[in-house]
Amino acid sequence: GNSVTQMEGPVTLSEEAFLTINCTYTATGYPSLFWYVQYPGEGLQLLLKATKADDKGSNKGFEATYRKETTSFHLEKGSVQVSDSAVYFCALSDRDSARQLTFGSGTQLTVLP
Amino acid sequence: DAEITQSPRHKITETGRQVTLACHQTWNHNNMFWYRQDLGHGLRLIHYSYGVQDTNKGEVSDGYSVSRSNTEDLPLTLESAASSQTSVYFCASSESALTSGSLADTQYFGPGTRLTVL
Repeated sequence: GNSVTQMEGPVTLSEEAFLTINCTYTATGYPSLFWYVQYPGEGLQLLLKATKADDKGSNKGFEATYRKETTSFHLEKGSVQVSDSAVYFCALSDRDSARQLTFGSGTQLTVLP
Repeated sequence: DAEITQSPRHKITETGRQVTLACHQTWNHNNMFWYRQDLGHGLRLIHYSYGVQDTNKGEVSDGYSVSRSNTEDLPLTLESAASSQTSVYFCASSESALTSGSLADTQYFGPGTRLTVL
């Protein structure tokens, strides 16, 4: 079956630090990959996605590259801000499993001023 | 603007009571989903629907049921609430990639319902 493994949290960084949150996956088909973000007290919002190998998703300064050879989709940002403090979820959607999302356990990020 | 709403936002109930959580979307999406979020588990799929009169069980469906009588609504019912069902519940919807032409369905989430079962 499908699974997503995320870097254990919580992660605490100072403002303007470089961020990496690791994500690896196992899938039986050819998945699409997502990063969702959850701000305190809110639902999840799509941050970025990639639908095929070597695609790079990007949004709000965040980037992630779909690496089929290492089955990874690591999230990066060059300079984090206090407003980036949130929980980040990696997820995959496999068309063979009919459009469902499989989520990682989430990584809590806190950015200090 | 299109949106997805959930009600109530907070609910406290007692063990054994029946509880229904509402989910309403104005995206006109065919696909709707219910998840629960628990610390250390991420989001786990409870039930999902790909259209009116269609419902399917997800990973953690025991003790829950859904019905889909129209496109906009997918209410989640806890038949006899248990303390293990204390959680935050999220509803989501998506347009089928086959319809949108995208290679991936993007799910849009509601704000969540925090349920406490005493």
